[in-house]
Amino acid sequence: NAGVTQTPKFQVLKTGQSMTLQCAQDMNHEYMSWYRQDPGMGLRLIHYSVGAGITDQGEVPNGYNVSRSTTEDFPLRLLSAAPSQTSVYFCASSYSLGQDEKLFFGSGTQLSVL
Amino acid sequence: AQKVTQAQTEISVVEKEDVTLDCVYETRDTTYYLFWYKQPPSGELVFLIRRNSFDEQNEISGRYSWNFQKSTSSFNFTITASQVVDSAVYFCALSGGDYKLSFGAGTTVTVRA
Repeated sequence: NAGVTQTPKFQVLKTGQSMTLQCAQDMNHEYMSWYRQDPGMGLRLIHYSVGAGITDQGEVPNGYNVSRSTTEDFPLRLLSAAPSQTSVYFCASSYSLGQDEKLFFGSGTQLSVL
Repeated sequence: AQKVTQAQTEISVVEKEDVTLDCVYETRDTTYYLFWYKQPPSGELVFLIRRNSFDEQNEISGRYSWNFQKSTSSFNFTITASQVVDSAVYFCALSGGDYKLSFGAGTTVTVRA
């Protein structure tokens, strides 16, 4: 199993550009989520999904869109990148919808918006 | 709303010293789960432990131990006889009834040889 795969690992964007961060898991996990990590702020939840076709907002959803058309994939879209979106992004998944399930994390995407 | 506070931003110790990381949480849920994750310099996030709100037993795993005290809303983590490989950022996290896992700001531990 590859686990949770995120691409790309690094990305530089100009303000106003759009892009999609890809996330795929091969563990048949129902729950998937996106976090951003900023210095001194820990990880903050952007969006999450409890199954194909179901998504919801986390703590910091503004400027990001998600969709979940399959169990495996959960892409994160930046429609018009802003410097405030410079961050490290992590995708994570878990086996069940129970809150006690540990998360499996991808290796992260370092995004810089100039 | 739930909140996790890790008041210690950075801790530096010499190898073989013990180090305790504090975690204080706030939640209105009666059922909740607490976690610790480790982020070594390579950047990946590694699960260490989870504990539910009904289980206040302390836990020991090798050099790691966890002290859960519901009365003070704390879930502290101790590394005994620290090693250089323990150098990492450690995150405490809280999950309630809404599928949202809230993380603390993290504590950076540096273990010097």
